[in-house]
Amino acid sequence: RKEVEQDPGPFNVPEGATVAFNCTYSNSASQSFFWYRQDCRKEPKLLMSVYSSGNEDGRFTAQLNRASQYISLLIRDSKLSDSATYLCVVNTYGATNKLIFGTGTLLAVQP
Amino acid sequence: DTEVTQTPKHLVMGMTNKKSLKCEQHMGHRAMYWYKQKAKKPPELMFVYSYEKLSINESVPSRFSPECPNSSLLNLHLHALQPEDSALYLCASSQDGFRAFFGQGTRLTVV
Repeated sequence: RKEVEQDPGPFNVPEGATVAFNCTYSNSASQSFFWYRQDCRKEPKLLMSVYSSGNEDGRFTAQLNRASQYISLLIRDSKLSDSATYLCVVNTYGATNKLIFGTGTLLAVQP
Repeated sequence: DTEVTQTPKHLVMGMTNKKSLKCEQHMGHRAMYWYKQKAKKPPELMFVYSYEKLSINESVPSRFSPECPNSSLLNLHLHALQPEDSALYLCASSQDGFRAFFGQGTRLTVV
């Protein structure tokens, strides 16, 4: 079993749709959580950090459930430019830092 | 300066060559990472340096040899690679628990 798992998709949605991505992680010692976005042949870029209280950034909402070891990302009013791979990233730090990527979910927003 | 710089951007090497990938950051981050990414797959962690010491080696073959000459630089020395080692190699840096910044990557082709 991978340390961080996501539904690989692809998610094909029309413009304006709401889409949700899920991510589960196996290491209960994980301490910080992020969603990254990666466009084809580019490096991953931070979309947002994820906090236990939940957080929102414009059309994007992230949630963390530590008890269930589950992270989610909700995108409202999808735009064509949202088409990308969304990667859940889990960080365990302290004595060592370990930043692990989920398997990634491909989103294709259709006109 | 919130940037991670990787050189070269593209590299073609023969199976008997020796080459090095370079990564530089000036954000004062004490954790630096090497990832390998194959097409349509998420980045896979290879090595982590914390405070200039190798803290994680994810069972990477010895033909990949990391080096951290100082807190701003990270190298990946390559020797006797195989065609299946062709991939995008990403460098990242972070400070405990906070977001990781990624370089644009080196696209490596082994012929």
